[in-house]
Order: sequence, then structure tokens, then C-alpha cells
Amino acid sequence: TQLLEQSPQFLSIQEGENLTVYCNSSSVFSSLQWYRQEPGEGPVLLVTVVTGGEVKKLKRLTFQFGDARKDSSLHITAAQPGDTGLYLCAGRNQGGKLIFGQGTELSVKP
Amino acid sequence: DAGVIQSPRHEVTEMGQEVTLRCKPISGHNSLFWYRQTMMRGLELLIYFNNNVPIDDSGMPEDRFSAKMPNASFSTLKIQPSEPRDSAVYFCASSFDAGINEKLFFGSGTQLSVL
Repeated sequence: TQLLEQSPQFLSIQEGENLTVYCNSSSVFSSLQWYRQEPGEGPVLLVTVVTGGEVKKLKRLTFQFGDARKDSSLHITAAQPGDTGLYLCAGRNQGGKLIFGQGTELSVKP
Repeated sequence: DAGVIQSPRHEVTEMGQEVTLRCKPISGHNSLFWYRQTMMRGLELLIYFNNNVPIDDSGMPEDRFSAKMPNASFSTLKIQPSEPRDSAVYFCASSFDAGINEKLFFGSGTQLSVL
């Protein structure tokens, strides 16, 4: 069974701090996506990375796909309370199936 | 755009009762997915349809679960009989572009509580 492990599971920080969330697997993925989910809502896609080593930026969020396409990271600079939510990584395996990680619950306090 | 629409938002039922969850995908999308989310297991794919045809139902827990997509604008997920361990948030998602850049659009989910 392919697994995507996210760390940390929970993260509580103060507004203005930086943070990094990790998504790791022993399997190779053809692409990897990051979603953010707010309470009472479904996940919303933030980014898709496809190439090993690829880096994408979305305002204060930086996403990186590992060189071997087995892992990814999400870095948030100067976190704001509006960044609070559940961050999910999802990898697409060779068979085309999208596998989700357990998520990282982020709380940014003002 | 209305997005993916799910109903009901909340469902409370008793063990043994039949539960039907409904989903209207985004118009023009040709793939539809049903996911279940719990604290213990995270987001799990139950079944997905492509052009109204079930493609992969390997995630359906057992025979008590069934899903249909009679047309491109409507799908149902039925649990009969329901059990307390079925309590979870059930999400429907739809997409248009298949492949590695496929983008899933999720509904707001149905919070199911089986007492």
C-alpha cells in the first residue's frame, strides 16, 4: 500500500513566524498536489508539481517536489491567521490514482 | 459557477437505517469521485466514475455501500444498512482534465453521524 506521511501532524505558531510542512513516501509519484481545507469545507487545490526538483511559489507559500519525486515540502513565510487550516498533500501514483496524506493541521495565532 | 453541490450537509440517523448522499458535479466535468474523511484514516477514495461509468470501486468498504451515476449531473452514494463506524464526512469531487495535472474540485461534504 502506498503511503504519504505528513509531518508534523499539528502545528501551532504565532503570526509572522515561518514554517515548513513535509510530505514523504517511499514511492515515486508522477505528480504531487497540495490542498488546503478549512473547517466545514472540502479541500481546495493550491498547486501541482510535476518535475523532480520543481519549485513553485504562490505568494508567501513555496512548494518543492523532491528530486526523486518521492517527497515534497510546503514552506510558508510570515504566516498569517488566514493561513490556518488543514494542509493535505496528494500524490498521483503510476496507475493514475491520487493518494492523500493524513494532513497537517496548522493554527496561526494573532 | 455553483461548484460541486452536495446534500444534505448534515445527516443524523440510527444504526440500520438507509442513508443516501447526493452530489451534483460541476457542469462539463467528466470524472466524479466519492471520498470519506475521518480523523483516523484521513481522506480515502471510495469510488470514481468517468463519463458516468464506475472505473474503480476498490475503496468501497463493503457490500453495504453502493454508488450510482445515472447521468452526467447527478450521483448518489447509498449505505444500507448504516452502522456507527460509517460516521464520517463524505466528500464528492469532480474534475475535467485527466492525467497528472488533473484538478479535483470538492464539494462541502456531508457530515454523517450514525447513532
